[in-house]
Amino acid sequence: QKEVEQDPGPLSVPEGAIVSLNCTYSNSAFQYFMWYRQYSRKGPELLMYTYSSGNKEDGRFTAQVDKSSKYISLFIRDSQPSDSATYLCAMKRGSTLGRLYFGRGTQLTVWP
Amino acid sequence: DTAVSQTPKYLVTQMGNDKSIKCEQNLGHDTMYWYKQDSKKFLKIMFSYNNKELIINETVPNRFSPKSPDKAHLNLHINSLELGDSAVYFCASSQDSRPPPGELFFGEGSRLTVL
Repeated sequence: QKEVEQDPGPLSVPEGAIVSLNCTYSNSAFQYFMWYRQYSRKGPELLMYTYSSGNKEDGRFTAQVDKSSKYISLFIRDSQPSDSATYLCAMKRGSTLGRLYFGRGTQLTVWP
Repeated sequence: DTAVSQTPKYLVTQMGNDKSIKCEQNLGHDTMYWYKQDSKKFLKIMFSYNNKELIINETVPNRFSPKSPDKAHLNLHINSLELGDSAVYFCASSQDSRPPPGELFFGEGSRLTVL
């Protein structure tokens, strides 16, 4: 079983839709949870970051972590064509120099 | 003023050849990484250096040899290239002492095609 599971999609939605992206994980030692966004032919960039359980909101984006279910989500409200990208979840244990464990990425297309 | 820069952006080469990719970061970070992203977008860590010391060395064929001459540079040399080495190779850097921990800054990638 992979450490982090993520449905690769692709996911295609109309502009203005609410998008839900999800990851599950198996290692209960993960404490830091991130979402990276990767545009075509670019490197990934950090989009959202959450420590432990709970919600975090930033504009149209909301990240949720449910450690009891080992499940994390990213919601995008009022999706825009500029949100079209691959979204990768990533997780880390507490150690300072620990590695990030990435999900496979979900390819999202928002059509006008 | 690119933060993490990689060269070359594209490499096309024959099986059996040797190639190198260079990476430089001007963010003052002390940790650098090489990641491999396959055609299905899966991002897999290969190596990580902290202050020029190798700290992560995943199960990677020994045809791949990283080298960090200083904190700002990390190079990747690949010997005897194989078809399966075709991928996008990303360099990244981080500074774990600054929040959020785990934030990686990626270069734009080096797209390697082995014929």
